[in-house]
Amino acid sequence: NAGVMQNPRHLVRRRGQEARLRCSPMKGHSHVYWYRQLPEEGLKFMVYLQKENIIDESGMPKERFSAEFPKEGPSILRIQQVVRGDSAAYFCASSQGPNTDTQYFGPGTRLTVL
Amino acid sequence: QQQVKQSPQSLIVQKGGISIINCAYENTAFDYFPWYQQFPGKGPALLIAIRPDVSEKKEGRFTISFNKSAKQFSLHIMDSQPGDSATYFCAASKSYSGAGSYQLTFGKGTKLSVIP
Repeated sequence: NAGVMQNPRHLVRRRGQEARLRCSPMKGHSHVYWYRQLPEEGLKFMVYLQKENIIDESGMPKERFSAEFPKEGPSILRIQQVVRGDSAAYFCASSQGPNTDTQYFGPGTRLTVL
Repeated sequence: QQQVKQSPQSLIVQKGGISIINCAYENTAFDYFPWYQQFPGKGPALLIAIRPDVSEKKEGRFTISFNKSAKQFSLHIMDSQPGDSATYFCAASKSYSGAGSYQLTFGKGTKLSVIP
């Protein structure tokens, strides 16, 4: 499977718990983007990462949210102390490298906060 | 501030008809305009994309028309089929280094239903 992989596909958390979302980019892609989609809304950019570097986090909420893309392993979006408003679909996309526009999206993780 | 405005919100087209979805943008620094198709429970899939140096791009039944002076672009789906029923998103980005580069700014989506 050469596509972008995300897991888990569905995640249920109670208020105050932590949510960890994982993204493995397409083979050969070293750039990862995270987007959030609220019901009946378009996707909103959150963060752009390259291996071991955060390039642009202008869309990330200032508190509770963090992202990383380590040298080895998947990119992780971490949400601490989740609240009901964090319930959304979180999509990861990857691209081949700098100056490459095309972003390929994964199937998403649907987070539900009870 | 919504930088990419998409219309209509929903669209019903008969099989064989032409589906037209419109988008307008505000940021003149945008220079890459993709369209994505999304089925329920799935991630967005790239359909077709255009740059401002051309006014039209066609791939199979899908055509993007681009009007740089009006800051508008549209998706035309010819001979629409029930299998085209999905939500379509337009997006825009700027592809040079600097703040905000490469991040896609999406429209709110158009839910297309193609009826037999």
